[in-house]
Amino acid sequence: GENVEQHPSTLSVQEGDSAVIKCTYSDSASNYFPWYKQELGKRPQLIIDIRSNVGEKKDQRIAVTLNKTAKHFSLHITETQPEDSAVYFCAASGYGGSQGNLIFGKGTKLSVKP
Amino acid sequence: EAGVAQSPRYKIIEKRQSVAFWCNPISGHATLYWYQQILGQGPKLLIQFQNNGVVDDSQLPKDRFSAERLKGVDSTLKIQPAKLEDSAVYLCASSLVRLAHNKINEQFFGPGTRLTVL
Repeated sequence: GENVEQHPSTLSVQEGDSAVIKCTYSDSASNYFPWYKQELGKRPQLIIDIRSNVGEKKDQRIAVTLNKTAKHFSLHITETQPEDSAVYFCAASGYGGSQGNLIFGKGTKLSVKP
Repeated sequence: EAGVAQSPRYKIIEKRQSVAFWCNPISGHATLYWYQQILGQGPKLLIQFQNNGVVDDSQLPKDRFSAERLKGVDSTLKIQPAKLEDSAVYLCASSLVRLAHNKINEQFFGPGTRLTVL
């Protein structure tokens, strides 16, 4: 089955700096890669996702890149702000059947220092 | 639109006791998921329903966990008897349809139920 590794487990940056979180996956059939943000005590919320037919996707200060050959994808946050502090989870999924289930990484705790 | 609702928000029980969690998905969402999130880890899928049928329960510890979605809307997850290692947040999520070819739909999560087993 699919296995998702996420690094780093913790990341501390100064406000205004960029943050990068990386994930690798094992199943070459996976083709949907969402990123979730979870603030302390709150529910995970989707912030951006990418499909396998796209190499990069941007949404304001957030971008995700995908390298299907290497089976890794990354989250990039530019001009970080204190409100970006949270735990970020990557996930991978394939199409159809039980392959449609999301397999999550272990999360990255991002701290943005003012 | 209203989000995914879950209750209770918190539950404390002793080991070997039973507990049940309830989830009401977003109206019209055919697919419902139950996840277990242990502190410091990502959510782990326990069971997935498509309407009132089970699509995947391969990760559900069936000797103690059970779940149902009788009318294809609300769902309950039960643990009987509970063990210390069941302490976690139980998240319910829903999406319009099951992830299928060219039909990727976002999963919306509920606020979760934090279970503490003493």
